[in-house]
Amino acid sequence: DSGVTQTPKHLITATGQRVTLRCSPRSGDLSVYWYQQSLDQGLQFLIQYYNGEERAKGNILERFSAQQFPDLHSELNLSSLELGDSALYFCASSVELRGADTQYFGPGTRLTVL
Amino acid sequence: AQKITQTQPGMFVQEKEAVTLDCTYDTSDPSYGLFWYKQPSSGEMIFLIYQGSYDQQNATEGRYSLNFQKARKSANLVISASQLGDSAMYFCAMRESPGSARQLTFGSGTQLTVLP
Repeated sequence: DSGVTQTPKHLITATGQRVTLRCSPRSGDLSVYWYQQSLDQGLQFLIQYYNGEERAKGNILERFSAQQFPDLHSELNLSSLELGDSALYFCASSVELRGADTQYFGPGTRLTVL
Repeated sequence: AQKITQTQPGMFVQEKEAVTLDCTYDTSDPSYGLFWYKQPSSGEMIFLIYQGSYDQQNATEGRYSLNFQKARKSANLVISASQLGDSAMYFCAMRESPGSARQLTFGSGTQLTVLP
């Protein structure tokens, strides 16, 4: 158990809908990262938050947005869903010190868009 | 250009034998970190081992060791005494320059199957 929690574990929805994925980082970790894992794109970085502020953006679509709250949990909002958004969405957290600054991953949310 | 290349889509190893999973990387940053993660069929991503670009020694964690050859830009994972539970997808990842962005770039993965 990495200490990172994600809910829900599975999500099935229809095209055009909006969903929210939730992540709670490990205790003490200030950084939260969101990644998408799909068969065709592999594992791709979406966005990073550090202590409530957006730190970096990757290949995140405009239909997607995220935020990190004062208690450091984060939410990833996916709207106007398309079939191609079906993927495993991971949240990871790190303490963001020098050196390894290892990212620990949550169990993921498997999103299926029908 | 691919930043992380894993050239072995699938590997087989006999139980109790050692296996090496290949990873090459491409970066011009002098400071970077290399990571290996394991993804079993259940889907979670499990951190295995880390190697910093300035680390003089190869990293080791139990049965896992990282064969770091900086000049060749390779960071191969060695698993000794393979166990059936090692069957999984293995990803090599890199974090470049410790600036404000600290995201990981992943390779395409190697599916390891341990045979009894």
